[in-house]
Amino acid sequence: SSELTQAPAVSVALGQTVTITCQGDSLKTFYASWYQQKPGQAPVSVIHYKDIRPSGIPDRFSGSYSGNTASLTIAGAQAEDEAVYYCNSRDSSGNYVLFGGGTKLTVL
Amino acid sequence: QVQLVQSGAEVLRPGASMKVSCKSSGYTFTTYEINWVRQASGQGLEWMGWMSGSNGDAGLAQKFQGRVSLTRDTSINTAYMQLSDLRPEDTAVYYCARGDYDSSGDHFYFYMDVWGTGTPVTVSS
Repeated sequence: SSELTQAPAVSVALGQTVTITCQGDSLKTFYASWYQQKPGQAPVSVIHYKDIRPSGIPDRFSGSYSGNTASLTIAGAQAEDEAVYYCNSRDSSGNYVLFGGGTKLTVL
Repeated sequence: QVQLVQSGAEVLRPGASMKVSCKSSGYTFTTYEINWVRQASGQGLEWMGWMSGSNGDAGLAQKFQGRVSLTRDTSINTAYMQLSDLRPEDTAVYYCARGDYDSSGDHFYFYMDVWGTGTPVTVSS
């Protein structure tokens, strides 16, 4: 399969923990990376190489894996975390890049 | 700091071609890929293709094969994406992004850690 599947939307109460998942056969071979995109802005990498946060990303963001599913967890979600989150990897051949459809996170 | 600065917005007619540039700074251009991703208004991210900064190897999404050409000029640390035979559905913001791809144990990893400034393109008659 050459797809990454994400739920279209998820919501979380301010200060609570939320997990966004991404499923795909390619994740058995490739670690997923995660991107945050706010309206009118370019995507920003928040997790890469399984569970590494780029410089400047708060430690409330973390990544994990189980089988063909990657997860992005935000522990203690803040209002500024409201955004669309995309997962990404290459396909199992390594030749093509895949994006999930994106999950819109609403912080209530 | 690491930056990718793209060329400016374009308004083009159907059937025309466009060429977007992506100038890198703050890192060694030849040690990373450049990927191209587009996003139509209100839609998700759509990957178009990648090019190796070191040897020019490239890969394109099947959807764009025959219409997209990826090139680079290592003397000025700049990558280019040319899209021909433009259609109204090509109206989107086009991004370049620095990509890193390697293996680690029994897994590979790939990520795009720096994104360009974005180039809005409108195709309309």
